[in-house]
This record gives sequence, C-alpha cells and structure tokens, in this order.
Amino acid sequence: KTQVEQSPQSLVVRQGENCVLQCNYSVTPDNHLRWFKQDTGKGLVSLTVLVDQKDKTSNGRYSATLDKDAKHSTLHITATLLDDTATYICVVGDRGSALGRLHFGAGTQLIVIP
Amino acid sequence: EAAVTQSPRNKVTVTGGNVTLSCRQTNSHNYMYWYRQDTGHGLRLIHYSYGAGNLQIGDVPDGYKATRTTQEDFFLLLELASPSQTSLYFCASSEGGLSYEQYFGPGTRLTVL
Repeated sequence: KTQVEQSPQSLVVRQGENCVLQCNYSVTPDNHLRWFKQDTGKGLVSLTVLVDQKDKTSNGRYSATLDKDAKHSTLHITATLLDDTATYICVVGDRGSALGRLHFGAGTQLIVIP
Repeated sequence: EAAVTQSPRNKVTVTGGNVTLSCRQTNSHNYMYWYRQDTGHGLRLIHYSYGAGNLQIGDVPDGYKATRTTQEDFFLLLELASPSQTSLYFCASSEGGLSYEQYFGPGTRLTVL
C-alpha cells in the first residue's frame, strides 16, 4: 500500500512561472519529511527537511510547508529556471532514530520549458 | 559534502546471469543502503548495513544478496538475474540510521534481457 502520494505526477511550466508540488502521506508516526531533487540519470539531492508539527522552510527559490495534522506537505518553486527540470521526491521518516524507516513517494516530474 | 560512487553506471545482462553492483562512500558513514527505483514506485529498500560485516534485510530483499566488506564498500549481488530485476539501483550512506539524512550515489541502470 502506497503511504506517500505525490501530485501531480507530472507538470509542465514556462520558465519564470511559479509551481506547487503536493505530498500527502499516511505514515505513522511521522518524525520528519524531506524533499529531494533528482536530475535525470542522477541521484537524489536533499532540498529541505521539515520537522515540526506545522513547519515552514525556505532554501532560495524553494520553500516548503508541512502540516502533520493533515499529513500534508507542499513544495513551492518560484521563478522556475530550465535547470529546475527534474523529478521531485517527497520522503517521510517515521522515527528519528536508527530504528526508523524512510517512506518514498513516486515523485513529481517537473518540466520547465522556455 | 558526502561522496558516494557507484559502478558500473550501466549494465546489461541476460536472464540467469550473475551481476555485482559496487558502491563506495568516502565519508566514514556507518550506514549504507541499496535501493531500487521503478517507474510509478518510490525507492524501495533492498538491504542495508551498519558496518563492515553487517547486513540487514530491507523491504524487497528477494533475489538479492549484499555484502559490506569495509566501512567504505557495499556490494549488491544478483546471482540469478531475472527480467523483474531490471531497474535503477541507488546506493546511499548516512551517519546514523535509516531516519538520518542519506546521501545518494548517481545510480546504476541494470537491464536483464
């Protein structure tokens, strides 16, 4: 059973536009949530991690929110660039310890066109 | 910054073939992981290790063996490869356990004909 659902599956935006990616999950407990960027043919690179019950983070043009009550997170990308073309993966960690597990979403494929 | 390398980057084999995927990390991390990534699925954990000589079973271990020879090196073995094992394989490492930030290698694309 998929415990981390991402939407949309794919998204096309024009360079300079903003976009929002969604992540809904049913993982319990939910210690933290991390967003990764995966360029085509490459590994995952961490963008941000959210920990608090209602959390917000910002990393340049990337900003993210987490609402643990709703089990929902968003990743906002402002003023998109061609280099933002990638798959964005939401990952929920169920515990903050060595016994915890990571639960991966299938990703949202973002394509930025000129 | 964490450095995790994988080899080969691409591999093609036939059904029943014997394949070894290699991973090396140079960060003195205790934990290392092997994942597979398939279209429509999130990454799935195959095996992991918390030190040389240690091996822990992940969520999708069937058909895979793994060996951690040193703190740096972690190998994934497919002794009788099947087409269902065609996938993109990622190695990762972390300082602590599974919930800690993991640093990923570039991936190995394996095709089993």
